[in-house]
Amino acid sequence: KQEVTQIPAALSVPEGENLVLNCSFTDSAIYNLQWFRQDPGKGLTSLLLIQSSQREQTSGRLNASLDKSSGRSTLYIAASQPGDSATYLCAVLYNFNKFYFGSGTKLNVKP
Amino acid sequence: NAGVTQTPKFQVLKTGQSMTLQCAQDMNHEYMSWYRQDPGMGLRLIHYSVGAGITDQGEVPNGYNVSRSTTEDFPLRLLSAAPSQTSVYFCASSFSQTMNTEAFFGQGTRLTVV
Repeated sequence: KQEVTQIPAALSVPEGENLVLNCSFTDSAIYNLQWFRQDPGKGLTSLLLIQSSQREQTSGRLNASLDKSSGRSTLYIAASQPGDSATYLCAVLYNFNKFYFGSGTKLNVKP
Repeated sequence: NAGVTQTPKFQVLKTGQSMTLQCAQDMNHEYMSWYRQDPGMGLRLIHYSVGAGITDQGEVPNGYNVSRSTTEDFPLRLLSAAPSQTSVYFCASSFSQTMNTEAFFGQGTRLTVV
């Protein structure tokens, strides 16, 4: 059974810090991995998609890496801002469009 | 561009009642799916569809039915609501998996069964 784990479950940092969110998965036969952001009471917003053949993707202050062989992905957020406060979800895609989600990391960036 | 639209946004049901959660996408996506999100458990796949007329079960399908008569719509039916089905439900869609494109999610339906 595919399992996706996110560590830490919660993180509180002062504004301006660089931070790393971790995601690990048990089955390395993935199609791709996607990082999402979820604000309270809202839906999921896609941040970055890494295809199985890629090692990393960047968008603005966000950088996501993928190491399939070790079953790990990291989301790096540079120069964090209070507006980055949200829950970050890692989702691993296997065949037939089946996503397996981690439980998320709840990030609080303090002004 | 509407993207993925879910209705209703909120719903309260009594135990035993039935209802349909609506999901529509205007991106001509082949793949559509339903997830439920419960505290501390992440999102779990209920049912999915790889195209019109084709559906299959996900991780937690019991108590739910789906059908896909058109590319655009993928409704989720609760046959006889139970308190254990209190959750937030998300619909998602994407292009063919071989194109490796990202998934788009609706804003969710918050369901409470009393």
